Amino acid sequence: DQQVKQNSPSLSVQEGRISILNCDYTNSMFDYFLWYKKYPAEGPTFLISISSIKDKNEDGRFTVFLNKSAKHLSLHIVPSQPGDSAVYFCAASDNYGQNFVFGPGTRLSVLP
Amino acid sequence: DTGVSQDPRHKITKRGQNVTFRCDPISEHNRLYWYRQTLGQGPEFLTYFQNEAQLEKSRLLSDRFSAERPKGSFSTLEIQRTEQGDSAMYLCASSSGQGAGYNQPQHFGDGTRLSIL
Repeated sequence: DQQVKQNSPSLSVQEGRISILNCDYTNSMFDYFLWYKKYPAEGPTFLISISSIKDKNEDGRFTVFLNKSAKHLSLHIVPSQPGDSAVYFCAASDNYGQNFVFGPGTRLSVLP
Repeated sequence: DTGVSQDPRHKITKRGQNVTFRCDPISEHNRLYWYRQTLGQGPEFLTYFQNEAQLEKSRLLSDRFSAERPKGSFSTLEIQRTEQGDSAMYLCASSSGQGAGYNQPQHFGDGTRLSIL
């Protein structure tokens, strides 16, 4: 059973517009959530995280929103740039951080 | 500040052979993780070390897999009697942190791609 789901395998957005990537989770023990970006032939790169005590965290063009009651989080990228084209993974862990569960990823294409 | 490094980047071997991968984490990081990733999927957790202690192992980690982290520095992942299904990207990640409520993001290496012939 997939504890972390990313139901959109791919997303295309025009340069300059907003990209919204979604993630749903099922395990109520998850306490810490992260987004990673991955380019081909490289390991995932950390983008932004949020703990369950917050509902929003912002870092430059990237904002993560957490809705605990819906067990849903989203990543907003604004404005989107062609260099943002990559696969984005949502990940979650419990309070101890001993085991991180990743979603299957969403491939974002930002069109010039 | 060097990142997480993994060696080798690619490994091609025949079915039934043993393979060993090495991971050098970021030097001040006490936590180290191994993951496996197959095409179209996210990384799947395999095992976790805090310093030299292996504290968590996934059910995915069969008896043919063993991981070590002597002295709490670099780590090795060994797969014995490799099978076709072991073909995947093996990723290592490290982070700092101690106990509950002190999570830090993981930093990943570029992985070792294993191909079983």
